[in-house]
Amino acid sequence: GQNIDQPTEMTATEGAIVQINCTYQTSGFNGLFWYQQHAGEAPTFLSYNVLDGLEEKGRFSSFLSRSKGYSYLLLKELQMKDSASYLCAPGSTLGRLYFGRGTQLTVWP
Amino acid sequence: SQTIHQWPATLVQPVGSPLSLECTVEGTSNPNLYWYRQAAGRGLQLLFYSVGIGQISSEVPQNLSASRPQDRQFILSSKKLLLSDSGFYLCAWSSLGQGAGNTIYFGEGSWLTVV
Repeated sequence: GQNIDQPTEMTATEGAIVQINCTYQTSGFNGLFWYQQHAGEAPTFLSYNVLDGLEEKGRFSSFLSRSKGYSYLLLKELQMKDSASYLCAPGSTLGRLYFGRGTQLTVWP
Repeated sequence: SQTIHQWPATLVQPVGSPLSLECTVEGTSNPNLYWYRQAAGRGLQLLFYSVGIGQISSEVPQNLSASRPQDRQFILSSKKLLLSDSGFYLCAWSSLGQGAGNTIYFGEGSWLTVV
């Protein structure tokens, strides 16, 4: 089974930095995925962490601590277009991918 | 490059009517295929998962079914829709294997409203 917990909503202003946390419990853990979903659209892949530590990809970074069952997504230099839902998803060796309920981020001018 | 398409994009169906959503993947062989549903204000729920032709795993008991008649074709069906079946249905695929190769890529989605 799986248990995924992330905040429901967050707000920030343009140019700021925001950190979205995710804690999880899952069977057969096989890396941690983050997806972005704009309203009315399908989710798109953002990042994948399989080892502990920070992975940086432009304005977005993702961190993983496997021993703590914890990950975060860090968004820098926020832009209005970053307003979206961010989904945390622990991968499974069973091949299935289960998603958290998502964190709705609103970026204000 | 790989692409995934699903249709129809939008449909309005009466309660008790049948449903058929279709999804095809191009540019890859023997993908894992998935059907997810996202009800209004809720998270993504995994409905079905397939690792090969005719191999379907159901995650949630319900009045929906899935079939995989061909390697890159995945179909979601219902004989009689319920109001609670309304939602955003997403087909997705991933490569066989572990790690980042298991990244899931989604189709455009199908909006179903049961009235």
